[in-house]
Amino acid sequence: DARVTQTPRHKVTEMGQEVTMRCQPILGHNTVFWYRQTMMQGLELLAYFRNRAPLDDSGMPKDRFSAEMPDATLATLKIQPSEPRDSAVYFCASGDWGGNTDTQYFGPGTRLTVL
Amino acid sequence: DAKTTQPTSMDCAEGRAANLPCNHSTISGNEYVYWYRQIHSQGPQYIIHGLKNNETNEMASLIITEDRKSSTLILPHATLRDTAVYYCIVRVSVPTGGGNKLTFGTGTQLKVEL
Repeated sequence: DARVTQTPRHKVTEMGQEVTMRCQPILGHNTVFWYRQTMMQGLELLAYFRNRAPLDDSGMPKDRFSAEMPDATLATLKIQPSEPRDSAVYFCASGDWGGNTDTQYFGPGTRLTVL
Repeated sequence: DAKTTQPTSMDCAEGRAANLPCNHSTISGNEYVYWYRQIHSQGPQYIIHGLKNNETNEMASLIITEDRKSSTLILPHATLRDTAVYYCIVRVSVPTGGGNKLTFGTGTQLKVEL
């Protein structure tokens, strides 16, 4: 049963520290999404990649956030420096653009707490 | 993508059908209606989608009105495990595939009770 995996599942850090979240999309999927969920804002799209190229990162604070796909099996979301307002659950999802299934698969999320 | 309107919350007795409405009066001709749900502390899960015909799968049924301005997700026999936030999303699906971004609203919190 193919799944999107994310690490770490939980992260507690102090303000100013660097945070790196990792995502392994489903093998064969060509599109990877990063979402953030907070009580106040709900689920919001931060960025997404297609065939490892960034397509849209307009939802991401550019000064501190960066997203990359070093290879087809790994997507990373980095925050440097982290701030308390970054505390949220970060979800990665993958999908197959142009494929036979119209489902977007979400990972279990990384719960980030910035003190 | 068209905006959707859903009730904030609904209750349903276990074993009964849960009917979750969604209004999307500004939907365009090439926009599909998608439903996802999010069980507490988990990532969202795809349920079903459709363009203008009613759809059914192992999880649910989707009824879309003829004018496509609203739709209803039906869980035929709700169980406690169906307690979740249900999101109705309208977006273009050209070409088909799961690689198009989703814009989530606030959804409907469905509570299934004994």
